[in-house]
Amino acid sequence: KAGVTQTPRYLIKTRGQQVTLSCSPISGHRSVSWYQQTPGQGLQFLFEYFSETQRNKGNFPGRFSGRQFSNSRSEMNVSTLELGDSALYLCASRPDRGTLDTQYFGPGTRLTVL
Amino acid sequence: SQQGEEDPQALSIQEGENATMNCSYKTSINNLQWYRQNSGRGLVHLILIRSNEREKHSGRLRVTLDTSKKSSSLLITASRAADTASYFCATESNSGGYQKVTFGTGTKLQVIP
Repeated sequence: KAGVTQTPRYLIKTRGQQVTLSCSPISGHRSVSWYQQTPGQGLQFLFEYFSETQRNKGNFPGRFSGRQFSNSRSEMNVSTLELGDSALYLCASRPDRGTLDTQYFGPGTRLTVL
Repeated sequence: SQQGEEDPQALSIQEGENATMNCSYKTSINNLQWYRQNSGRGLVHLILIRSNEREKHSGRLRVTLDTSKKSSSLLITASRAADTASYFCATESNSGGYQKVTFGTGTKLQVIP
């Protein structure tokens, strides 16, 4: 099976712009989670989608949003970019069979906001 | 601060030595997982230990879990230069009826050839 893929791998934007990141989970995986990783804050949970519904959300402002499509692919959108949004954005998928699920991570999208 | 705090923040050892990393957390968990991350790349899952398990092995990896102390340790035996990476623990707990994963701050391991 192909792993989790994320596009694009690298992105440079300027303050005030908006950005959309994409994540394709492993085939058959229904849950997709998004994380932000920065040197200062570490890995922080953004949100989780399951069956096209957001079922869990971290402590991020409303500028961060996401959605999931019927094929389980997910997108994350950040509006009105700020310098502090520069980070590695990771998505992870899991089959969602219960507490023994392992998350499988994609390679990440490196976002730089200038 | 995040649920998982890891100790030490950084560790430098010679190839062949053992490396031990510790993780502490604050709330009840369903399971705890360890991940490895090579510089600026995605996370690779290493091992999962359930809350009712005390020890688990996988190749050169040994993970222990002490729920009474809310702590876990990852031991890498006979380290290799290729083990150089950052290691994260992640706790999974119930949150509003769903499973929530919280990552620790990570330990940066350098194995010197």
